[in-house]
Formats: sequence, structure tokens, C-alpha cells
Amino acid sequence: DAGVIQSPRHEVTEMGQEVTLRCKPISGHDYLFWYRQTMMRGLELLIYFNNNVPIDDSGMPEDRFSAKMPNASFSTLKIQPSEPRDSAVYFCASSLGGGTNEKLFFGSGTQLSVL
Amino acid sequence: KQEVTQIPAALSVPEGENLVLNCSFTDSAIYNLQWFRQDPGKGLTSLLLIQSSQREQTSGRLNASLDKSSGRSTLYIAASQPGDSATYLCAVRPENTGFQKLVFGTGTRLLVSP
Repeated sequence: DAGVIQSPRHEVTEMGQEVTLRCKPISGHDYLFWYRQTMMRGLELLIYFNNNVPIDDSGMPEDRFSAKMPNASFSTLKIQPSEPRDSAVYFCASSLGGGTNEKLFFGSGTQLSVL
Repeated sequence: KQEVTQIPAALSVPEGENLVLNCSFTDSAIYNLQWFRQDPGKGLTSLLLIQSSQREQTSGRLNASLDKSSGRSTLYIAASQPGDSATYLCAVRPENTGFQKLVFGTGTRLLVSP
């Protein structure tokens, strides 16, 4: 398996523009997570899905952020409109589930820079 | 609120040294603790997971210990190599939460020089 695949690897945009980040989880994984990593705040959970259904979006910073998972092999995180303070590395991760399968597998991330 | 701290933030050692990375957490009510490795420009890779009932876990040159009552965990790396250079993060799963709600530390950046 190729692992969790994220695109794009780097995104540079101007303030006010819409940004869409994409993720393909590992096949067969029931859980998908979106994280944000910054130097100041470390790694923060934004939202996670179980079987394509959003379960907890309490980490989404504000209404400018939205996430969807239309099917088991694809998810998007959208920021509209983007702001400079959204600059961070955004990670997608997937997992089989709880018990002995609760390990998270991370993608390589999207480095977002909002100018 | 659970907080996870890792000290030092950065560590530089010569190749071959044995070293210890520290992780402390404020609330001892945890279900498990994981150590992750993050290479530059990459995502996190899970190294070891210790259940709250366990004292330690080993994988190759890595040994992680857990002292739940004192809120501490250590990651011991034996005979360090330049390939061990990376950022190491620990994360706890608080009790009564799902595995989905890990609380991460900010990491220790390790540099092993040849």
C-alpha cells in the first residue's frame, strides 16, 4: 500500500483565496483525521471521520474551515477565505480503529503559506 | 486539561551515544502513550505504544518506559546513529476518550552527528 497520500505538497496562496487540501487514506481504514501543525501550537486535531461520517469537528478553528469525505478513499479540507494565520502544515492520517488497531498512519502533509 | 511537555526541545549527540528523551503529562489518567518519529517534510510514524498497565515496550534499539503515577515517560535510544536524527513526539490518550483524541507534545528535535 502506498500509505496516506496528500496533495498538494506545497500550496502558496494570497489572503482571501480558497484553498482545498486533499487526502487519500489507506485502503480499508475506517478513520480519517485532519491535523494542523505549527511551531506555536504543535499538532492539533481539527476533525475526524468514521466510515465517511464527521464525528468530531470541535477542533476546526472557525467557519472558514470545512471538511468532507464523499467516499472511503477521499477527503478534502477547505479554507475559504484563507488568512495568513492559517499558514501551517496540514496532515491527514488514517487508522483501522481502536484496540490493537489504533495506530495512526500519517501522510507527508501539505505546507500551506497564505501571503 | 491534559498537557504534554517534552524537554529538551532539541538535543545534539555524537554517533554511538545512548540517549534518553523525556515526556511528561499533567494528568495521570491516561489510557496509553505513544512515541512518534517525524522526519523533516514528512508525517509522523508511530514507534511504540505503551498501554497504561504496562511499564515498558521495546522495539530494536528503542525502549519506552511509562511511569503513569508520576506522569512521565522516557524513550531510550541505544547506540544512536545519524539515521535516528528526527523529531520525536509523544502523545497520550486520556482515559474515557477514544483513541481519536490524542494529546501531543511539541517534540524533541534530535541530531546525531557522525
